[in-house]
Order: sequence, then structure tokens, then C-alpha cells
Amino acid sequence: QSVLTQPPSVSGAPGQRVTISCTGSTSNIGADYDVHWYQHLPGTPPKFLIYGNSNRPSGVPDRFSGSKSGTSASLAITGLQAEDEADYYCQSYDNSLGAPVFGGGTKLTVL
Amino acid sequence: QLQLQESGPRLVKPSETLSLTCAVSGASISRSYYYWGWIRQPPGKGLEWIGSIFNNGATYYNPSLKSRVTLSVDTSRNQFSLKLSSVTAADTAVYYCTKSFSDYDFWSALNWGQGTLVTVSS
Repeated sequence: QSVLTQPPSVSGAPGQRVTISCTGSTSNIGADYDVHWYQHLPGTPPKFLIYGNSNRPSGVPDRFSGSKSGTSASLAITGLQAEDEADYYCQSYDNSLGAPVFGGGTKLTVL
Repeated sequence: QLQLQESGPRLVKPSETLSLTCAVSGASISRSYYYWGWIRQPPGKGLEWIGSIFNNGATYYNPSLKSRVTLSVDTSRNQFSLKLSSVTAADTAVYYCTKSFSDYDFWSALNWGQGTLVTVSS
């Protein structure tokens, strides 16, 4: 059971917008720790997608955006493309566990 | 361009020590103010942060693994290493070495190695 809760799966048609939630608590996201997001395609290492809740590293398309409010964070993907089909993970720090934690991951299917 | 490459035994016997090394190219560990870390993913499961090390040797470990994990850095060879003792089948996973995004965030992972599957089995 992950400390950060993500939906196991989401789906959308090409061109649509999808969001992936990451629900935490007052010991992690709610304690004002940054949330990062990663994209993981099978057979490749994860890719750093969003840092500091809402910032994109160089090279990440602006179709990807992140937000945070209270004890939750969200990743939004607009203009969905077939190549976006992957697993997505949120990450934050938990001061109760004293360690960084990942969400359980969300599998995005592009219909 | 920064590259990370894991190396080490792919098969480890139960109760023995898993040892992996990450070779860094395209950047100097001693002159870089980043954290060098390890993350793993058991088959069919999610990601787990193992630990990070700074170039001065300062370490951060996941408390759930702390009693069994040792990270070290060799600036002369521009590489860093992971040792995980007393392994069991639960330690079977793809192990990734990483570099942090910043000098203040020891748990982010901007750069990743390709990953290496380590199987614990007799």
C-alpha cells in the first residue's frame, strides 16, 4: 500500500485531456514537500517529467503540466498522443517515514 | 551528455550481498553538486527509493533498508556504488542508478541509468 495514492489506470482518446491524481497526507504533500512526476515506458528507464509540483525540465512538452493543492497533486496531459501511453509515478517526501516515497503508479492507455 | 551505466552480478544468492556500481560519464562527480542515488523496481511493482550520496560522502538511506544498505562514491574512478546485504527474493528487482535534479533535493532523479535486473535465487 503506497503512501501516495494514484488511480491504477486512466484512459483517453487521442487529442483528449487526462488527469492523474496523487493523494497524500499532512506528512508528505500536505507538509509542503515538492511533488515530482515520472513517465515510465516499458523497457526504458523512467523519465523526469515534472519537478517542484509544476515545473517542466528542458525538453518536456508543454502538454504536460502539474499542480498541487493541499494534500494532493495532479498531472494533466493535454492533446493526448499514442506515445504518451506509459506508467506515471508521483514522488514526494514523507516526514513520518523519513524517506522519499512514490505513488503506486498509474497506467495511461491511449484508446 | 551525462550517462549512467550500472554494472554488477545479475544473480545473487539468498543471504549474500548485492553489489552494483554506476559509472558516470559526461560529468565529474567531484565537481558536480548533485546527489547520486539508487532506485529499484521489483517485477510487476512500483518504484522504491533506496538511497542517495553526495560527492562529499554524505548519505541518505531509506529507513526500511538502512540496516542493509551502504552507498559509497569513488571520485577517482567517477563512479558510485550500492551494497545491499542479506538479500532475499524480495530484493529481486531492476536497479537504477540516478542523478538528482538539484543540489538541494536529494531524492529527485533527473538522469537514470538503463537499469539492471538483479535476481536473488539459489
